[in-house]
Parts: sequence; C-alpha cells; structure tokens
Amino acid sequence: DAGVIQSPRHEVTEMGQEVTLRCKPISGHDYLFWYRQTMMRGLELLIYFNNNVPIDDSGMPEDRFSAKMPNASFSTLKIQPSEPRDSAVYFCASRLLRSNTGELFFGEGSRLTVL
Amino acid sequence: QKEVEQDPGPLSVPEGAIVSLNCTYSNSAFQYFMWYRQYSRKGPELLMYTYSSGNKEDGRFTAQVDKSSKYISLFIRDSQPSDSATYLCAMSAKGSARQLTFGSGTQLTVLP
Repeated sequence: DAGVIQSPRHEVTEMGQEVTLRCKPISGHDYLFWYRQTMMRGLELLIYFNNNVPIDDSGMPEDRFSAKMPNASFSTLKIQPSEPRDSAVYFCASRLLRSNTGELFFGEGSRLTVL
Repeated sequence: QKEVEQDPGPLSVPEGAIVSLNCTYSNSAFQYFMWYRQYSRKGPELLMYTYSSGNKEDGRFTAQVDKSSKYISLFIRDSQPSDSATYLCAMSAKGSARQLTFGSGTQLTVLP
C-alpha cells in the first residue's frame, strides 16, 4: 500500500488567496483526520470523518476553513481566504475502525506558507 | 492547562546514552497511550503502544505508564544518531473514534 498521500507537499501563496489541500487515505480505512502542526501549538486536530461523514469539526479555527470527503478515497481541506497565521504543516491521517491500537497513519504533510 | 503536557526540549545526548522522555496528563479517562516518532519533514509514525498501566519493551525502547500519577515515559537505551527525531506522546479514551490527544513533542538529537 502506498500509505496516505497528500498534495501539494509545499504551497506558497499570498494572503487572501484560496488554498486547497488534498488527501488520499489508505484504502479500506474508516476514519480520516486533518491535523495542523505549528511550533507554537503542536499537533492540533481540525476535523475528522467516519465513513466520509464529518463527525467533529470543533477544531476548525474559523469559517475560512472547510473540509469535504466526497468519497472514501479523497478529502480536501480548503482555506478561503488564507492569512499569514494559517502558515503551518497540515497533515492528513487515516485509521481502521477495528484497530486494536487505534494507530493513525499519517501522510507526509502539506507545508503551507501564506505571505 | 493542556490535557497533555510534554517538555519540548530540545534534548541533546551523546551516542549510547539512555534517553528518558516524559508526558503528564490530566484526563483520567485516557486508557490508550502511544509514542509517535517524527523525523524532520515527515509525518509521525507509531513507535510504541500501551493499553492502561504497565511496561512494554520493544528492542531498545521501553514505554511505561503510571495511571495513578498520570505520567508516561519512553526510555531509549543505547541511543543512536538514527534516533534523532521529535517524539510525541499521544493518548485516547475508550470509544469507537479513539480520538488522540497529542503532546507538543520533544525534539531529540543523538550526537555521534
């Protein structure tokens, strides 16, 4: 299996522009999570899906952030309009419902810089 | 106060040293405890998993959980330069989602 695949790996954009981050989870996994990582705040959960349905979006910082999962193999995280404080590494992770350990499998992340 | 507290370091040790990494937590509902390792510019990967209290050993790595003190540790014996990474503790309560709460991570450098 190729693991969790994220794109783009790096994105540099200007304040006010729309940013779309993409994720392909591991095939067969039931849960998909979006995290944001910064030096100041560490790894923060933004939103997670179970079987393509958003379950908890309480970590989404503002209405500028939105996430969708139109099918089991694809999810997007959109920021519109972007601001410099959104600069961070965004990780997508997936896992199986029937996992003894509850292990999360992370992608390599999308590094976002908003100028 | 954060639910999970972890000293961010950075921690620098010579090759061969014993490393001790620690986290404290406040939520008594946490039952599942993990350590993730994150290399530079990579995603975190599961290193160790422990359910409830006790010790678990895997090669040079030992994970300890003391639920009475709400304290977990990761020990690395005979540390190697390849162990240089950020180590994140993570924990969750029972339930189907088993949503993880992460510590902020400790950056470790093992010097050759």
